[in-house]
Amino acid sequence: EIVLTQSPGTLSLSPGERATLSCRASQSVNSNYLAWYQQKPGQAPRLLIYGASSRATGIPDRFSGSGSGTDFTLTISRLEPEDLAVYYCQQYGNSPRTFGQGTKLEIK
Amino acid sequence: EVQLVQSGPEVKKPGESLKISCEGAGYNFPNYWIGWVRQMPGKGLEWMGIIYPGDSDTRYSPSFQGQVTISADKSIRTAYLQWSSLKASDTAMYYCAKLAKQGSTWDPFDYWGQGTLVTVSS
Repeated sequence: EIVLTQSPGTLSLSPGERATLSCRASQSVNSNYLAWYQQKPGQAPRLLIYGASSRATGIPDRFSGSGSGTDFTLTISRLEPEDLAVYYCQQYGNSPRTFGQGTKLEIK
Repeated sequence: EVQLVQSGPEVKKPGESLKISCEGAGYNFPNYWIGWVRQMPGKGLEWMGIIYPGDSDTRYSPSFQGQVTISADKSIRTAYLQWSSLKASDTAMYYCAKLAKQGSTWDPFDYWGQGTLVTVSS
């Protein structure tokens, strides 16, 4: 089973700043099948990024994904107060599919 | 518009059985894998398993194999998650979600239900 380790656990930034979230896999993710989800308080998760770097439908271009193999990054440029959420990475290229433990993004 | 509508919250006692549901609308339900994700209180997301409603082919995460049963009825566009004997540790929010590409299992979840809160307490 691939273990995904996200860092940092919590990130506290101000509006307008850039957030960089990391997701490291215990072994290479096949075909870079790595997704990022946003879960706002009290809501279901929402797909942001798939295939490591493709934005899902309706996702603003402030959100971008990069990386390959075992190291992946979600970058949120120009933070807005509404970006307050927990962000999860998920690999879907190997069985069983697995999620990271999440990074909580706080907006100061 | 794609929608996944889940059944309401449940409060059960240990040892009881339970079946929760997820009705899909706005897409070709039989042809997309649909899955379940657990979120225990204050914790992260856990991938439980997926089912292809067209032929009921099912894949489970090893962590959940034998602990739950995933099923679907394509005639009423509904997927199910069931337990035969609940434990207190099954207390969690359960989300259904569909995979993004028709017929493919190697995809992320692109649409999610609103979640069903299951509480197991004596």
